[in-house]
Amino acid sequence: EPEVTQTPSHQVTQMGQEVILRCVPISNHLYFYWYRQILGQKVEFLVSFYNNEISEKSEIFDDQFSVERPDGSNFTLKIRSTKLEDSAMYFCASKIGSTDTQYFGPGTRLTVL
Amino acid sequence: AQTVTQSQPEMSVQEAETVTLSCTYDTSENNYYLFWYKQPPSRQMILVIRQEAYKQQNATENRFSVNFQKAAKSFSLKISDSQLGDTAMYFCAFILTGAGSYQLTFGKGTKLSVIP
Repeated sequence: EPEVTQTPSHQVTQMGQEVILRCVPISNHLYFYWYRQILGQKVEFLVSFYNNEISEKSEIFDDQFSVERPDGSNFTLKIRSTKLEDSAMYFCASKIGSTDTQYFGPGTRLTVL
Repeated sequence: AQTVTQSQPEMSVQEAETVTLSCTYDTSENNYYLFWYKQPPSRQMILVIRQEAYKQQNATENRFSVNFQKAAKSFSLKISDSQLGDTAMYFCAFILTGAGSYQLTFGKGTKLSVIP
């Protein structure tokens, strides 16, 4: 069964550094998402992406964040200058159509030191 | 804005017994879906079950079933014949439907422990 994949599984970085989190959505899916989960808290929406552009973003998704779909398969989240409070689990999700279920990847644990 | 409330931070159940996790939500919209996701210690988010708001029949998926009360805005999850592998965080989630790339809104989760 096709699944969403994410790399790396764990990323450790120094405060102020740039990180890129990578996701490969399910191949025929058209809608892409990033969510984050700070340890012990609920999952929070960051951004949605459709038709090669951001369709919705939350207050968390400020100018330090960007997303890109550089080719037909990858979907990336870039944090330009990481802060301690960016430490969290980051989940990528995708779905086929607007009314379909979102399927999540296994997550990337980001640790900012 | 939509909100999802899970009032039980933690629950436990004996193996083979039945447990019900509660979820309420608030929305002024009429067209939406509801989900339960499971997050085991590996922290992967796994879909358990989905309910379309327009359907009156409660969704079932093997040992998992829901009690969807639209008027009360309640969406509880029943796990029958609990197994040790059911130990996980369970998140209730809500999404509007229609044209658009709507985001999921999650509750804070219920930590379920299945006791041997």
